[in-house]
Amino acid sequence: SAVISQKPSRDICQRGTSLTIQCQVDSQVTMMFWYRQQPGQSLTLIATANQGSEATYESGFVIDKFPISRPNLTFSTLTVSNMSPEDSSIYLCSVRSGRTYEQYFGPGTRLTVT
Amino acid sequence: GESVGLHLPTLSVQEGDNSIINCAYSNSASDYFIWYKQESGKGPQFIIDIRSNMDKRQGQRVTVLLNKTVKHLSLQIAATQPGDSAVYFCAEINNTDKLIFGTGTRLQVFP
Repeated sequence: SAVISQKPSRDICQRGTSLTIQCQVDSQVTMMFWYRQQPGQSLTLIATANQGSEATYESGFVIDKFPISRPNLTFSTLTVSNMSPEDSSIYLCSVRSGRTYEQYFGPGTRLTVT
Repeated sequence: GESVGLHLPTLSVQEGDNSIINCAYSNSASDYFIWYKQESGKGPQFIIDIRSNMDKRQGQRVTVLLNKTVKHLSLQIAATQPGDSAVYFCAEINNTDKLIFGTGTRLQVFP
């Protein structure tokens, strides 16, 4: 399985500001995804990060709020823009090699918005 | 660290007993299923997967059973240990090739 790291591991931010989360994988992967896990909840898919093109967003998530970059096959960023306390969650990067459906997750970024 | 799944269903088992965690899925077109284990403060950890053309798959101390007729998935853990305490999620690859998670179950192992 791929080794996935995320930065920062946690942050406390003020409302109205933005935070960019980085995801780095130790090998080239075909597919990268971003998920959100709100307190006490399951994981919800935010978007698929596409290399060299705009991310594909799920219903309820928009590019202006969650801009995503994926400049190459091992790196992606998710920005949480104009934050409010409702954005307090764990944000998780996930990857799939493409040869199988096996999908792996990073350790998550724990965001608290005050 | 912060507890994940404070409001999730909980299964309590005694150390050494077998655990069975159940999951219902909704999409009959789903072709692939994964069980994940999430410990407090960590990301989900891949445990075992199964394709829709199978009804059983075994790993080390774990077995996944798939009943497509009633759209039900279960994870069996043999000889449950304290280190098995975590939140367990089932997830399915749907017909748009996205991995979608179920609600999760918290497993508590007591001595």
